[in-house]
Amino acid sequence: ELKVEQNPLFLSMQEGKNYTIYCNYSTTSDRLYWYRQDPGKSLESLFVLLSNGAVKQEGRLMASLDTKARLSTLHITAAVHDLSATYFCAVDSGNQFYFGTGTSLTVIP
Amino acid sequence: EAGVAQSPRYKIIEKRQSVAFWCNPISGHATLYWYQQILGQGPKLLIQFQNNGVVDDSQLPKDRFSAERLKGVDSTLKIQPAKLEDSAVYLCASSLRAGVLLNTEAFFGQGTRLTVV
Repeated sequence: ELKVEQNPLFLSMQEGKNYTIYCNYSTTSDRLYWYRQDPGKSLESLFVLLSNGAVKQEGRLMASLDTKARLSTLHITAAVHDLSATYFCAVDSGNQFYFGTGTSLTVIP
Repeated sequence: EAGVAQSPRYKIIEKRQSVAFWCNPISGHATLYWYQQILGQGPKLLIQFQNNGVVDDSQLPKDRFSAERLKGVDSTLKIQPAKLEDSAVYLCASSLRAGVLLNTEAFFGQGTRLTVV
């Protein structure tokens, strides 16, 4: 079974700071997705990464994919309170999605 | 474009009772997923349909859970009888996935929060 690990599991950061969330997976895949989940809400699609070296940016978030290292990163630049949420990566094994454990991000004013 | 619709949004039942959830995927999406998300964890796939056929149900507790996808569109997930550990949010998602597609992004519904007491 494909394993998807995220770290850190919990992240508390001050507004204005930068940080990176890591997503490691255990099998070959070149399709990776990042989702955001607010408390009590469903999952909102953030980024779709479909090839090695793919980089996508939206506002203060930037995601990248290194399929050789089986690693994706979600970089947060100059964090603001509105980014507080849980972030999940999901790897497409070719047949189904496997979700990571999630990273709960809290941005402190 | 309408999103994935789920109902009900909330359900509270006693253990050993039965419950059913309904999902209407995005129009034209061939693949439909049911996920179980326990508080503080990532979504866990229960069952995946491609049109009206089951692709993967390896993690579905078949002694108590069942699911069907009528005419390759709407789907229902049933639990009978429910246990306390079934308390979770049940998420339905759909994607275009049909044949060989590069982008298989899944779109999620609002979920049904089930509490078993």
